[in-house]
Amino acid sequence: QKEVEQNSGPLSVPEGAIASLNCTYSDRGSQSFFWYRQYSGKSPELIMFIYSNGDKEDGRFTAQLNKASQYVSLLIRDSQPSDSATYLCAVFTGGGNKLTFGTGTQLKVEL
Amino acid sequence: DAGITQSPRHKVTETGTPVTLRCHQTENHRYMYWYRQDPGHGLRLIHYSYGVKDTDKGEVSDGYSVSRSKTEDFLLTLESATSSQTSVYFCAIGPGFGTGKYEQYFGPGTRLTVT
Repeated sequence: QKEVEQNSGPLSVPEGAIASLNCTYSDRGSQSFFWYRQYSGKSPELIMFIYSNGDKEDGRFTAQLNKASQYVSLLIRDSQPSDSATYLCAVFTGGGNKLTFGTGTQLKVEL
Repeated sequence: DAGITQSPRHKVTETGTPVTLRCHQTENHRYMYWYRQDPGHGLRLIHYSYGVKDTDKGEVSDGYSVSRSKTEDFLLTLESATSSQTSVYFCAIGPGFGTGKYEQYFGPGTRLTVT
């Protein structure tokens, strides 16, 4: 079992819809959770992080964390074509001084 | 890119030649990381540093070495490049342990091709 799992996609949503991206992790000791957006040929860009159970909202983005079920999700409201990218989930487990990344979900927002 | 630069940005080299990639940061972060990214594998950690002259291996460290003589610079060396090391290499800084901030930020990347 991979430590951080994401559906590779592509996930296709129409413009204006809500895109829902999911990530599960295996280490119950994981403390901090991150979502990165990566456009083709570019470096990962941090867009959201969440440390506590519940929801965290920033503009059109909402990160949701459920430690009991070991999943973290990213909701993108009013999806735009510019949101088309690969979204990477990353998890920090305190004992390792490093992040573990999922392989990413490709999102396509269609006109 | 959060005050992180990488050089060179693109490099083509021949099998068996040594290659050094440089990461430079202006954020005074203690922790620096080198990743490679390949289709189907995502981001994989090569080496990281937790201070000047303090480094540790990641999950794919074979064939790579690193050095950190100054806080701002972290070098990745391929002693004898192989075609399997063709990849995109990213440097990252953070987390800020002890600050309560665990975010990690990436440099622009270096695309390396070994022929």
